[in-house]
Amino acid sequence: DVKVTQSSRYLVKRTGEKVFLECVQDMDHENMFWYRQDPGLGLRLIYFSYDVKMKEKGDIPEGYSVSREKKERFSLILESASTNQTSMYLCASSTSQLNEKLFFGSGTQLSVL
Amino acid sequence: DAKTTQPPSMDCAEGRAANLPCNHSTISGNEYVYWYRQIHSQGPQYIIHGLKNNETNEMASLIITEDRKSSTLILPHATLRDTAVYYCIVRAPLNTNAGKSTFGDGTTLTVKP
Repeated sequence: DVKVTQSSRYLVKRTGEKVFLECVQDMDHENMFWYRQDPGLGLRLIYFSYDVKMKEKGDIPEGYSVSREKKERFSLILESASTNQTSMYLCASSTSQLNEKLFFGSGTQLSVL
Repeated sequence: DAKTTQPPSMDCAEGRAANLPCNHSTISGNEYVYWYRQIHSQGPQYIIHGLKNNETNEMASLIITEDRKSSTLILPHATLRDTAVYYCIVRAPLNTNAGKSTFGDGTTLTVKP
């Protein structure tokens, strides 16, 4: 069965900490994505990557960075966590074929205190 | 991508068909209709997609009107496990659009015993 795995289900961090959220997919997908989900705002795209070492900004990249050193792994980095980054973070992947569907991980609920 | 409109919530009796509507009156000729669902505390899961013909798979059926301005997702025999938020999305089939899909608030379907 295809799988997108996010390293933590729940995470609690302090304001100002550097936070790493890890995502691994086992489907050999070219594309990977990071979203955050907040009540009333739906899913918003933070960053995405179409290939190793490649990244592009999504709709809300401020305060975040990403790393894709290997095809299967896409990391989201909060350089200095703030309380307004408390959210559910979702990772997804897809192939590079036209009309492909997204496969999502189970999400990481991050609380910044 | 075209905007979609869905009712915020619906109820359905267990064992009955659940019909979830979606309006996408500004859909373009090359845009597909996708449906995902999100069960509580999990990432969204792909259900089905289509262009203009009706589609059916093991999870659901998708009925798209002839003018393509609306569609209906049908769960033929709803179970309690189908209780979830259902998202209707329209997007062009380009690879570059795969992760840029706009997930709004969707329809919360509650299946009742």
